[in-house]
Amino acid sequence: NAGVMQNPRHLVRRRGQEARLRCSPMKGHSHVYWYRQLPEEGLKFMVYLQKENIIDESGMPKERFSAEFPKEGPSILRIQQVVRGDSAAYFCASSPWAGPEETQYFGPGTRLLVL
Amino acid sequence: AQSVTQPDIHITVSEGASLELRCNYSYGATPYLFWYVQSPGQGLQLLLKYFSGDTLVQGIKGFEAEFKRSQSSFNLRKPSVHWSDAAEYFCAVGDGNTGKLIFGQGTTLQVKP
Repeated sequence: NAGVMQNPRHLVRRRGQEARLRCSPMKGHSHVYWYRQLPEEGLKFMVYLQKENIIDESGMPKERFSAEFPKEGPSILRIQQVVRGDSAAYFCASSPWAGPEETQYFGPGTRLLVL
Repeated sequence: AQSVTQPDIHITVSEGASLELRCNYSYGATPYLFWYVQSPGQGLQLLLKYFSGDTLVQGIKGFEAEFKRSQSSFNLRKPSVHWSDAAEYFCAVGDGNTGKLIFGQGTTLQVKP
């Protein structure tokens, strides 16, 4: 029973390039959350998606960031024209149901470094 | 607005000593509270959670936490710390509408031999 998978685990990009981060939720989970952890900080919520729908994107920067969770395939967090300030660890978490009492299962994260 | 505060950024304890990590929250309704642990370079693992019932919650790895509404606190405890407990610990509250987690800044635990 595989856990939440994220790839790549490490990603290096130069300023101005695009970064694509993938998240495969646990089997049977249709709710995905993305969080960002900046150096020396806690995790900050970015976006919450169900299959084919964005439910809450209140934590997403207004520009350059987008997320999707298609009917088939992993959830994708896309960062266009990356800047040094985007360097962080990006975690996704999945849960089988919606609701604040549900446990979210976290992936190992993607560590993005922007040169 | 919901928020979580972990007052201690770093804590060092000796192996075998007891541990208490503090967490205070701000939330209008009944809070849904979580403690997660993160080992270096890893994702987060759930230690325990509380949303109703007994205010003393037992978790994995010998951890427990007590919900105190009057103090808006959800402190994590362990009677005897092991070297393998060295990690970063995050307290979080779940948003009542979407379930998104609001995290504290984290507490880094160092264990002395």
